[in-house]
Amino acid sequence: DAKTTQPTSMDCAEGRAANLPCNHSTISGNEYVYWYRQIHSQGPQYIIHGLKNNETNEMASLIITEDRKSSTLILPHATLRDTAVYYCIVRVRGDGGATNKLIFGTGTLLAVQP
Amino acid sequence: DTGVSQNPRHKITKRGQNVTFRCDPISEHNRLYWYRQTLGQGPEFLTYFQNEAQLEKSRLLSDRFSAERPKGSFSTLEIQRTEQGDSAMYLCASSLTQPLAKNIQYFGAGTRLSVL
Repeated sequence: DAKTTQPTSMDCAEGRAANLPCNHSTISGNEYVYWYRQIHSQGPQYIIHGLKNNETNEMASLIITEDRKSSTLILPHATLRDTAVYYCIVRVRGDGGATNKLIFGTGTLLAVQP
Repeated sequence: DTGVSQNPRHKITKRGQNVTFRCDPISEHNRLYWYRQTLGQGPEFLTYFQNEAQLEKSRLLSDRFSAERPKGSFSTLEIQRTEQGDSAMYLCASSLTQPLAKNIQYFGAGTRLSVL
């Protein structure tokens, strides 16, 4: 699975959009970009994933550049409860063997300020 | 659906003792994963089951660690002769092998182990 690079930490004002970047310059054509987050003392929580097209769900939007070498997770209206470590992970979305594990980096600590 | 359940939530033990953790996955999820997380780091993969078959083990899983999923439902992770370096959060996740399931892993709240 390709490696990802994320900033160590970011701040965001409550009610504003939080834009979390991720670089994955070695991503392969069949690798998806997944985002998880981990609120303090809880297990990681799935947010969103995508391959090429931009994606949106009830939690967030995912913008993937045309060359797929980077992506941005957008939380449109951040709240204090969005304070967490956000992990960007690239992996093959297949059903075979070693591709099933998630390889986490150290993620980005997003601090939402009141 | 009650989510992935892990017990106990916290375990304090003395060095050299054996400990066992239990994970109950989401009902009907055929895949189950164990991860370990130390302070300030992201979770690290330990092992993975599809039904009752253990299909992959990380090199992190030393001989003192053993995991089972005897009937393809709940799983146990045992650590023998615990060492202080085993102190960590042990996370369990489960997923479903169906295209619509999108290969999403759902995590439990973890078991925090402290070895004194």
